[in-house]
Amino acid sequence: GAVVSQHPSRVICKSGTSVKIECRSLDFQATTMFWYRQFPKKSLMLMATSNEGSKATYEQGVEKDKFLINHASLTLSTLTVTSAHPEDSSFYICSGLAGGGSTDTQYFGPGTRLTVL
Amino acid sequence: LAKTTQPISMDSYEGQEVNITCSHNNIATNDYITWYQQFPSQGPRFIIQGYKTKVTNEVASLFIPADRKSSTLSLPRVSLSDTAVYYCLAHNYGQNFVFGPGTRLSVLP
Repeated sequence: GAVVSQHPSRVICKSGTSVKIECRSLDFQATTMFWYRQFPKKSLMLMATSNEGSKATYEQGVEKDKFLINHASLTLSTLTVTSAHPEDSSFYICSGLAGGGSTDTQYFGPGTRLTVL
Repeated sequence: LAKTTQPISMDSYEGQEVNITCSHNNIATNDYITWYQQFPSQGPRFIIQGYKTKVTNEVASLFIPADRKSSTLSLPRVSLSDTAVYYCLAHNYGQNFVFGPGTRLSVLP
Protein backbone atom coordinates (compact mmCIF):
# COMPACT_ATOMS: atom_id res chain seq x y z
CA GLY A 1 0.00 0.00 0.00
CA ALA A 2 0.87 3.67 -0.20
CA VAL A 3 3.11 5.14 2.49
CA VAL A 4 2.52 8.27 4.53
CA SER A 5 5.05 9.66 6.98
CA GLN A 6 4.69 12.13 9.82
CA HIS A 7 7.27 14.21 11.58
CA PRO A 8 7.89 14.45 14.42
CA SER A 9 6.60 11.21 15.91
CA ARG A 10 6.34 12.81 19.31
CA VAL A 11 6.80 16.32 20.64
CA ILE A 12 6.68 17.91 24.05
CA CYS A 13 6.24 21.64 24.27
CA LYS A 14 5.49 24.34 26.78
CA SER A 15 2.09 25.94 27.01
CA GLY A 16 1.80 28.95 24.73
CA THR A 17 4.25 27.74 22.09
CA SER A 18 3.42 26.60 18.56
CA VAL A 19 4.13 23.20 17.12
CA LYS A 20 4.27 22.17 13.47
CA ILE A 21 3.55 18.62 12.33
CA GLU A 22 4.44 17.50 8.81
CA CYS A 23 2.59 14.88 6.81
CA ARG A 24 4.14 13.50 3.63
CA SER A 25 2.90 11.04 1.05
CA LEU A 26 6.06 9.20 0.07
CA ASP A 27 5.08 7.20 -3.00
CA PHE A 28 1.92 8.81 -4.27
CA GLN A 29 0.49 12.23 -4.84
CA ALA A 30 -2.23 13.24 -2.45
CA THR A 31 -4.41 16.05 -3.70
CA THR A 32 -6.39 15.66 -0.53
CA MET A 33 -5.09 14.99 2.94
CA PHE A 34 -6.98 14.70 6.20
CA TRP A 35 -6.04 15.53 9.76
CA TYR A 36 -7.46 13.61 12.70
CA ARG A 37 -6.95 13.66 16.41
CA GLN A 38 -7.40 10.75 18.75
CA PHE A 39 -7.71 10.69 22.51
CA PRO A 40 -6.75 7.61 24.54
CA LYS A 41 -9.01 4.62 23.88
CA LYS A 42 -11.23 6.73 21.64
CA SER A 43 -11.83 6.67 17.93
CA LEU A 44 -10.35 9.04 15.37
CA MET A 45 -12.04 12.41 15.00
CA LEU A 46 -11.69 14.30 11.76
CA MET A 47 -10.38 17.82 12.27
CA ALA A 48 -10.01 19.12 8.75
CA THR A 49 -9.69 18.28 5.09
CA SER A 50 -6.69 19.71 3.32
CA ASN A 51 -6.67 20.24 -0.44
CA GLU A 52 -3.51 21.10 -2.31
CA GLY A 53 -3.38 24.74 -3.24
CA SER A 54 -6.55 25.76 -1.44
CA LYS A 55 -7.80 26.52 2.04
CA ALA A 56 -8.54 23.67 4.37
CA THR A 57 -12.08 22.76 5.33
CA TYR A 58 -12.52 22.46 9.07
CA GLU A 59 -15.01 20.31 10.92
CA GLN A 60 -17.49 21.96 13.22
CA GLY A 61 -15.94 22.88 16.53
CA VAL A 62 -12.35 22.94 15.26
CA GLU A 63 -10.77 26.37 15.51
CA LYS A 64 -9.11 27.19 12.21
CA ASP A 65 -6.99 29.93 13.76
CA LYS A 66 -5.63 27.51 16.31
CA PHE A 67 -5.00 24.59 14.00
CA LEU A 68 -3.37 26.05 10.90
CA ILE A 69 -3.22 23.74 7.92
CA ASN A 70 -1.12 24.26 4.83
CA HIS A 71 -1.08 21.94 1.83
CA ALA A 72 1.56 23.51 -0.36
CA SER A 73 2.37 20.52 -2.54
CA LEU A 74 0.89 17.22 -3.66
CA THR A 75 3.02 15.36 -1.13
CA LEU A 76 3.12 17.63 1.90
CA SER A 77 0.58 18.99 4.34
CA THR A 78 1.40 20.64 7.64
CA LEU A 79 -0.61 21.17 10.78
CA THR A 80 0.49 23.93 13.15
CA VAL A 81 -0.96 23.98 16.62
CA THR A 82 -0.69 27.61 17.67
CA SER A 83 -0.44 28.76 21.27
CA ALA A 84 -0.74 25.20 22.46
CA HIS A 85 -2.38 24.42 25.78
CA PRO A 86 -2.49 21.20 27.80
CA GLU A 87 -5.94 20.36 26.43
CA ASP A 88 -4.38 20.20 22.95
CA SER A 89 -2.34 17.21 24.07
CA SER A 90 -3.43 14.35 21.86
CA PHE A 91 -2.43 11.94 19.12
CA TYR A 92 -2.59 13.63 15.73
CA ILE A 93 -2.87 11.48 12.62
CA CYS A 94 -2.87 12.51 9.00
CA SER A 95 -3.92 10.59 5.93
CA GLY A 96 -3.51 10.95 2.21
CA LEU A 97 -6.22 10.12 -0.29
CA ALA A 98 -4.97 7.76 -2.97
CA GLY A 99 -6.71 6.32 -5.97
CA GLY A 100 -9.00 7.76 -8.53
CA GLY A 101 -12.03 7.11 -10.61
CA SER A 102 -14.90 5.68 -8.60
CA THR A 103 -12.98 4.48 -5.58
CA ASP A 104 -10.42 5.83 -3.18
CA THR A 105 -8.48 4.75 -0.15
CA GLN A 106 -7.03 6.76 2.70
CA TYR A 107 -3.56 5.81 3.82
CA PHE A 108 -2.61 6.97 7.28
CA GLY A 109 0.58 8.24 8.78
CA PRO A 110 2.04 6.77 11.96
CA GLY A 111 0.76 9.64 14.08
CA THR A 112 2.32 12.37 16.21
CA ARG A 113 2.01 12.37 19.98
CA LEU A 114 1.77 15.95 21.23
CA THR A 115 2.20 16.67 24.91
CA VAL A 116 1.74 20.24 26.10
CA LEU A 117 3.11 20.98 29.54
CA LEU B 1 -22.33 9.99 12.76
CA ALA B 2 -20.66 6.85 11.53
CA LYS B 3 -22.62 4.90 8.95
CA THR B 4 -21.61 1.58 10.45
CA THR B 5 -22.00 -0.36 13.67
CA GLN B 6 -19.70 -3.10 14.94
CA PRO B 7 -19.32 -5.12 18.12
CA ILE B 8 -17.31 -3.16 20.66
CA SER B 9 -15.05 -6.07 21.50
CA MET B 10 -14.26 -9.68 20.62
CA ASP B 11 -12.03 -12.34 22.07
CA SER B 12 -10.37 -15.14 20.17
CA TYR B 13 -7.59 -17.67 20.55
CA GLU B 14 -4.47 -18.06 18.52
CA GLY B 15 -4.94 -20.08 15.36
CA GLN B 16 -8.67 -19.47 15.11
CA GLU B 17 -10.49 -17.74 12.30
CA VAL B 18 -12.06 -14.47 13.39
CA ASN B 19 -15.07 -12.94 11.70
CA ILE B 20 -16.01 -9.37 12.55
CA THR B 21 -19.38 -8.25 11.26
CA CYS B 22 -20.21 -4.68 10.42
CA SER B 23 -23.76 -3.41 9.93
CA HIS B 24 -24.48 -0.63 7.47
CA ASN B 25 -28.23 -0.64 6.91
CA ASN B 26 -28.28 2.76 5.23
CA ILE B 27 -25.36 2.27 2.91
CA ALA B 28 -25.58 4.34 -0.26
CA THR B 29 -25.36 2.87 -3.73
CA ASN B 30 -21.94 4.43 -4.32
CA ASP B 31 -20.46 3.59 -0.93
CA TYR B 32 -17.52 1.26 -0.54
CA ILE B 33 -16.59 -0.70 2.56
CA THR B 34 -13.09 -0.33 3.91
CA TRP B 35 -11.51 -1.94 6.95
CA TYR B 36 -8.58 -0.64 8.93
CA GLN B 37 -6.49 -2.09 11.75
CA GLN B 38 -5.02 0.11 14.45
CA PHE B 39 -2.46 -0.71 17.10
CA PRO B 40 -1.97 1.55 20.13
CA SER B 41 -0.12 4.76 19.32
CA GLN B 42 -0.05 4.02 15.59
CA GLY B 43 -2.04 5.24 12.64
CA PRO B 44 -4.69 2.97 11.13
CA ARG B 45 -3.43 0.46 8.60
CA PHE B 46 -5.47 -0.36 5.49
CA ILE B 47 -6.61 -3.99 5.44
CA ILE B 48 -9.10 -4.45 2.66
CA GLN B 49 -11.75 -2.70 0.61
CA GLY B 50 -14.75 -3.95 -1.34
CA TYR B 51 -18.08 -3.10 -2.90
CA LYS B 52 -19.92 -6.41 -3.08
CA THR B 53 -19.46 -10.18 -3.02
CA LYS B 54 -16.05 -11.33 -1.85
CA VAL B 55 -12.63 -9.75 -1.86
CA THR B 56 -9.51 -11.54 -0.66
CA ASN B 57 -5.95 -10.40 -0.19
CA GLU B 58 -2.92 -11.76 1.60
CA VAL B 59 -4.16 -10.86 5.07
CA ALA B 60 -7.96 -11.00 5.06
CA SER B 61 -11.20 -11.63 3.23
CA LEU B 62 -14.18 -9.35 3.01
CA PHE B 63 -17.66 -10.72 2.43
CA ILE B 64 -20.44 -8.39 1.36
CA PRO B 65 -23.85 -9.96 0.66
CA ALA B 66 -26.05 -8.86 -2.19
CA ASP B 67 -28.15 -6.48 -0.09
CA ARG B 68 -24.95 -4.79 1.17
CA LYS B 69 -26.51 -4.06 4.54
CA SER B 70 -23.66 -5.76 6.31
CA SER B 71 -20.16 -7.01 5.70
CA THR B 72 -17.81 -9.43 7.40
CA LEU B 73 -14.09 -9.16 7.78
CA SER B 74 -12.50 -12.59 8.06
CA LEU B 75 -9.03 -13.00 9.55
CA PRO B 76 -7.69 -16.53 9.06
CA ARG B 77 -5.68 -18.14 11.86
CA VAL B 78 -5.13 -15.10 14.04
CA SER B 79 -2.01 -14.66 16.14
CA LEU B 80 -1.29 -12.58 19.22
CA SER B 81 -0.05 -9.79 16.98
CA ASP B 82 -3.52 -9.40 15.51
CA THR B 83 -4.73 -7.92 18.80
CA ALA B 84 -5.85 -4.46 17.73
CA VAL B 85 -8.84 -2.26 17.04
CA TYR B 86 -10.56 -2.88 13.72
CA TYR B 87 -12.60 -0.17 12.04
CA CYS B 88 -15.23 -0.65 9.35
CA LEU B 89 -16.11 2.36 7.22
CA ALA B 90 -18.69 2.94 4.52
CA HIS B 91 -17.70 5.83 2.32
CA ASN B 92 -18.28 7.39 -1.03
CA TYR B 93 -15.55 8.62 -3.34
CA GLY B 94 -13.92 11.71 -1.89
CA GLN B 95 -16.18 11.65 1.13
CA ASN B 96 -14.87 12.22 4.61
CA PHE B 97 -14.22 9.10 6.60
CA VAL B 98 -16.28 8.97 9.81
CA PHE B 99 -14.81 6.52 12.26
CA GLY B 100 -17.02 4.66 14.69
CA PRO B 101 -15.64 3.17 17.90
CA GLY B 102 -14.35 0.07 16.10
CA THR B 103 -14.02 -3.48 17.40
CA ARG B 104 -11.33 -4.23 19.94
CA LEU B 105 -10.07 -7.72 19.14
CA SER B 106 -8.13 -9.54 21.81
CA VAL B 107 -6.28 -12.67 20.75
CA LEU B 108 -5.47 -14.94 23.64
CA PRO B 109 -2.74 -17.60 23.76
